[in-house]
Amino acid sequence: NAGVMQNPRHLVRRRGQEARLRCSPMKGHSHVYWYRQLPEEGLKFMVYLQKENIIDESGMPKERFSAEFPKEGPSILRIQQVVRGDSAAYFCASSGVPGQPMNTEAFFGQGTRLTVV
Amino acid sequence: ELKVEQNPLFLSMQEGKNYTIYCNYSTTSDRLYWYRQDPGKSLESLFVLLSNGAVKQEGRLMASLDTKARLSTLHITAAVHDLSATYFCAVDDSGGSNYKLTFGKGTLLTVNP
Repeated sequence: NAGVMQNPRHLVRRRGQEARLRCSPMKGHSHVYWYRQLPEEGLKFMVYLQKENIIDESGMPKERFSAEFPKEGPSILRIQQVVRGDSAAYFCASSGVPGQPMNTEAFFGQGTRLTVV
Repeated sequence: ELKVEQNPLFLSMQEGKNYTIYCNYSTTSDRLYWYRQDPGKSLESLFVLLSNGAVKQEGRLMASLDTKARLSTLHITAAVHDLSATYFCAVDDSGGSNYKLTFGKGTLLTVNP
């Protein structure tokens, strides 16, 4: 069973370009979480999605950032008109249905390291 | 708003010594996670603590949870160089309805020969 797959692993964008980060959850998982890690800091929650629904986007910046998790395909975190301050590692995690006895945690992908030049 | 505080943030220790990392949090929760992160890598799940009084051990690491004190500890016994990494605690205050986590800032552990 493959783990959570994120791509690309590294992404370089010039200021003003768009960045698209992809996250394929573990097989059987329908819940995805995105986190951002700035240098020398802990992870900060951005958004929680289920298939075709955004459940909690309380950590998303109000502008330029959006996320989706379509019925088919990976979850996408999209950053428009990137700025230097967007440079960070972006991690996604996936889980089964919370509350079920066999589901006790979400599992993290390898992350996408975004560098804005 | 849930706040999670770890201390110390930096820990330099000698091989063979014992030490404890502390994780305090500000709201009621009985779900706490410990992770390890190596430089440039993802998070490796170490412990999942889901009830008051939970204690788990793996090798030289032992984690415990006191929900009344809102405190978790990660105890390192007889440290070895391979344990050098950043350790994060994370708290889920959703009551089990999701896995939205609030992380501490991390403890950078360096084990010296």
